[in-house]
Parts: sequence; structure tokens; C-alpha cells
Amino acid sequence: GQSLEQPSEVTAVEGAIVQINCTYQTSGFYGLSWYQQHDGGAPTFLSYNALDGLEETGRFSSFLSRSDSYGYLLLQELQMKDSASYFCAVRDGTRAGTALIFGKGTTLSVSS
Amino acid sequence: DTGVSQNPRHKITKRGQNVTFRCDPISEHNRLYWYRQTLGQGPEFLTYFQNEAQLEKSRLLSDRFSAERPKGSFSTLEIQRTEQGDSAMYLCASSLGLAGDNEQFFGPGTRLTVL
Repeated sequence: GQSLEQPSEVTAVEGAIVQINCTYQTSGFYGLSWYQQHDGGAPTFLSYNALDGLEETGRFSSFLSRSDSYGYLLLQELQMKDSASYFCAVRDGTRAGTALIFGKGTTLSVSS
Repeated sequence: DTGVSQNPRHKITKRGQNVTFRCDPISEHNRLYWYRQTLGQGPEFLTYFQNEAQLEKSRLLSDRFSAERPKGSFSTLEIQRTEQGDSAMYLCASSLGLAGDNEQFFGPGTRLTVL
């Protein structure tokens, strides 16, 4: 089957660095994506890794290790507005990699 | 606003009634997806369209659910004979397709409550 595992909650303080891990099992791998969702809001795309290594976009970075079926999202210089749910997602290998399969999400709480 | 829009934003209905939701994707996007999200879970895939063709449906999409995208632009999702278990947020997303599938643009969702 296809599944993703990520921690359910993470807490941190403003200015800190936090890492959200994601392990996945999938048939056919088309890359690992990360989405952010604020309470009551729509999921918004953050990053995508197709190849091993680190991708950096401002304060956010995402890492992938295909041999370990593992990735993480790194958030630096945390701000209160970063409090949200973060989802890792893979494309569904059984559907020619079109639909996204999401993890259950990690709720990040940033305090002052 | 050139993002994905969904209407209505909220819908409260009684069990057994039919409901219909609308999604307007980003205009140049040829792929449109419907997902369902319940509290504490990630979005779950329901179905997707390439232009006007419905190419895939999830096992989650029972025969009470039907979706259309008649002219390859907006899409509708209808739920017939609603059940309390249908209560969820219904999300629509669009993408450019192929390489753009990893970046899907989501609408604000329609929250359905079945009493």
C-alpha cells in the first residue's frame, strides 16, 4: 500500500529551527511535496523534491533521501505566522502519479 | 482574484438531501482534482479531470457521488442522499498537469455538515 508517516505535533518558540520528518511507502515514486495549511485555510504548496538532497526556499528547506524513503521540512527563524499544519505528500503511483496522497499532517505551534 | 474558487463555502443539509458544489479552477490549468478532508487528516483524493474527461475516481467515491467538468473549465461535485459520514471539507485543486502535478493550487473548500 501507499502511506506516509509524520509526527502529529511539534512545538517551538519564535526564532527557533524545527524539522518535520516524513517517511513514505509508495508504489512508483514521483517526488515528495510539502504543503502548509492554516486553520480554516486551503493547503498551499511549499516545496517539492524529486532528487536526493536539500532544496532551499527562503526560511524553508526540504530534504529527500530516496534510498531511505525519507524526507523532512526544515523551518528556520520561526515566526508566529508559521503556526499551521504541514503535510508531506507523494503522487499516487497507482494512478500514473497524478493524484496526491497526503500524510495526516503535523501541527506546528510557535509560541513567543 | 485568479486563484481557485469554490462555492458555496459552507453548506448545512439534512440527511437524505442532495447537494452540489462548484469549483472554478485557475483558467489555464487543464487538470482539476477533488479531495475530501476531515478533521485531523490530510486531504484524500476523490477524482480528477484532464480537461473535460474524468480520468480517475477513488474507491472513496461511492455511487452517490458524481462529478462533472462539462466544458473543461468549472467543475461540479454532487452528493445524492447525503449521509452524516459525508460531513467534511471538500477541496478542489487545479494544476497545469504533468510536471505541474506536484504543485496543486487548492481552493478554500466547501464545508459540508449533514445533520
